[in-house]
Order: sequence, then structure tokens, then C-alpha cells
Amino acid sequence: DSGVTQTPKHLITATGQRVTLRCSPRSGDLSVYWYQQSLDQGLQFLIQYYNGEERAKGNILERFSAQQFPDLHSELNLSSLELGDSALYFCASSVESANTEAFFGQGTRLTVV
Amino acid sequence: GENVEQHPSTLSVQEGDSAVIKCTYSDSASNYFPWYKQELGKRPQLIIDIRSNVGEKKDQRIAVTLNKTAKHFSLHITETQPEDSAVYFCAASIWSGYSTLTFGKGTMLLVSP
Repeated sequence: DSGVTQTPKHLITATGQRVTLRCSPRSGDLSVYWYQQSLDQGLQFLIQYYNGEERAKGNILERFSAQQFPDLHSELNLSSLELGDSALYFCASSVESANTEAFFGQGTRLTVV
Repeated sequence: GENVEQHPSTLSVQEGDSAVIKCTYSDSASNYFPWYKQELGKRPQLIIDIRSNVGEKKDQRIAVTLNKTAKHFSLHITETQPEDSAVYFCAASIWSGYSTLTFGKGTMLLVSP
């Protein structure tokens, strides 16, 4: 167990819908990262938050948004869902000193039908 | 931004053989290079990492080498075992007040008994 908790584990929804994925980082970790893993695309970096503030943005679509709350948990909102958004979404957290290990959650498997 | 290339995408070896996975990175400012192992249906987990002030690091059967001049780093697994079968991801990170991890696309390692 990495200490990073993601909910839900599985999500099935229809095209056009909106979903929210939740991540609770390890205790004491201030930095949260979101990654999308599709079959042929490896781990695509979406966005990073540090202590409530957005720090870095990757290949995140405009239909997607995220935030980190004062208690440090984070949510990834996916709207106007398309079939191609079906993927495994991982959250990771780190202590955020110079280049330390990022711990991954179990992921949320999103299936858009 | 940083770009990480990883080769090969698939690697099949016989049990007991060695396996080598290679990665190149684009940004010379990158200074932290972790390797993650992802078993089927599970989360990525750190197996070894190296920082830019070190050329080689070993941990039992696994080792990582870094060539900063050429901007490439490699994972070496000796005496492979069937339980080494997984997808391996390399990553590069730049520390600039915060760290952002950029992953390669992964290598599926298959170890046959």
C-alpha cells in the first residue's frame, strides 16, 4: 500500500457526461500529480499541484480540470466525455523536496461508453 | 519541456538472461532519473533511481547507469526471473523549486521460464 488513495476504483459512464476522480495523498505529501495511462501512450502527465497551487501543466485537455483543496486532497474533473477518454487515471504524491520518489495510487479505471 | 524516449517497447528474454532498457532525455537540466515497474493491473512502483551526480547505482540484480554527456540512462536486470515480467518506465525530472516527472512510454519485459 503506497498510502495514496484514489476513488472510485472503476467508473463507467456515457459520452457527454462529467465525472470527478478523487485522490488523497500520503500523509505529509504536499505535491499531487495526475497521469493518464492509455494502452499505447504510457504515462501521460496531466497536471501537478503543490500545497493547493497549480505548479505544472502537461497534456491536459480543456475539458479536464483539477484542484487541490486545503486538506491536500485533489480532484480531477473530466467533462463532455468522449470514448477516447477511456483510460486508467493515476494520482501520485511526493514530499516535494529535491527530486524524491513519487508514490502512485491504485488508479481509477474510467470507461466511457 | 522535457522529452523522454525509451527503447525497446517490448523485450523478451529467457529466465537467467540479462535485460537492458535504454532511455534518452532532451533537457540537460534534468537531474533525477527514477525507474518504475508496473505489474499487470497494478500501480507503478519505484525500483531504483539515480541522481545526476552519480554515474551508476546497483541494488541486487538491478542497476542503472547514467551518461550525462550523451543524455541517456539505462536499466540493467541480471539473472532475470519470471516475476520480473512487467512494464518498466523510465523518467526524468528537473528540479526548479519543484520537480516534474516526465515518463518514457514504457517497456514490456517478458521473461520466459
